[in-house]
Formats: sequence, structure tokens, C-alpha cells
Amino acid sequence: GQQLNQSPQSMFIQEGEDVSMNCTSSSIFNTWLWYKQDPGEGPVLLIALYKAGELTSNGRLTAQFGITRKDSFLNISASIPSDVGIYFCAGRDDKIIFGKGTRLHILP
Amino acid sequence: DVKVTQSSRYLVKRTGEKVFLECVQDMDHENMFWYRQDPGLGLRLIYFSYDVKMKEKGDIPEGYSVSREKKERFSLILESASTNQTSMYLCASTTGEGRGNTIYFGEGSWLTVV
Repeated sequence: GQQLNQSPQSMFIQEGEDVSMNCTSSSIFNTWLWYKQDPGEGPVLLIALYKAGELTSNGRLTAQFGITRKDSFLNISASIPSDVGIYFCAGRDDKIIFGKGTRLHILP
Repeated sequence: DVKVTQSSRYLVKRTGEKVFLECVQDMDHENMFWYRQDPGLGLRLIYFSYDVKMKEKGDIPEGYSVSREKKERFSLILESASTNQTSMYLCASTTGEGRGNTIYFGEGSWLTVV
């Protein structure tokens, strides 16, 4: 079946550093979505991408819909403590497939 | 803003009890979903519904049933709760096509079965 490979599984960074994570698939999607989940809460939508090649920003976050439609990345610039959490990607065509998440830790 | 509301955030139930998890969305979305989330396993789809009174099995439907009597409400039912159903349950909703393909989640329901 369809799978999303999200990497890295976890990241330890210093406050102020930039972060990059990505999702790849063997299948084509027509929508890519990026979420953040805080402990004990549901995922919250960060960025939605609907077209191949699309680059969208939301504050310090930037995400791109890969030109092949099989991948997407999320960048966070100048990380701050509240960026800690789990970041999920999701690809959608007829089905919705989720990555297993990237857990972001920020070192003091 | 879209709002997906899960009425119970934290529940503790005994083995064998019947459990209802309720989810309501306020954006007239056709599609609604129930997932469970477990460490290392990610989000796993239990059931989904694309219309009132319609339901489809997801990847792990065993031990669960659902009800969708109204468009805005999608209920997950554990007929006889077991300890391996201890988990975080997430409801989600979305409309069908085009730029409405965004999926919105509720806050989650933590279920502990003892």
C-alpha cells in the first residue's frame, strides 16, 4: 500500500537554528499537508499545499510541494522553544496517508 | 475557523464496558474519520464516513463501530472495551475536493482501559 517516509524521526537542535524535514512517497498526491502536534493535543494544520512546485510560508515556516508530486519538505527558520513538538506530513489523493512524524527537541 | 470538537478529552473505563467517543464538526464537511494514535505506530485509520449513515472500514476496524446519524456528528463506539484499546483517539473532518482538501483534527480523546 501507499506509504509516506518522513525523516528525520527526531531532531535535537539549538534554539535559533533552522530546521528541515521532509516526506517522500512512492505514490503521487494532489495535496500535501503539514501539521504540528503538541503533547496531549490533536494535530494542528500549519500549511496546506495544493499544486506541484507550490512554495508556501506561514511565519517562520515554509513548505514546498515537490515537482514530482511525490515529496514535500517543511523548513522552520530561527527555531524557538515553542516549536518543540511532533510535525506530521500528510499526502492526499483518494486516500489520506500520514507520515509517522518528526519529533523536534530544542536544547537550551 | 473550522472546529472539530471531541467531547471527552480524558476517559478511564473498565474492561468490557461500552464506550462512546463523540465528534462534532461545524463546517458542513462530508467526510469524517476516526484514528487512533500510538507511540511508534503513527496514525491508524479505524473508520471513516463520507456521508450521513455511510461508513467504511479503515485499516484497524476490529473491536470498533461507528455511527453517523447527522452530517456534523461522527461517533466511535467500543462495544466491549479491552486494555489494548488504551490509546489516543483523534477525529478528523474534511470536505471532498479541490482546495478544500485540508483535513482538520479534533483535540483528541485519551482513553485508558483498566
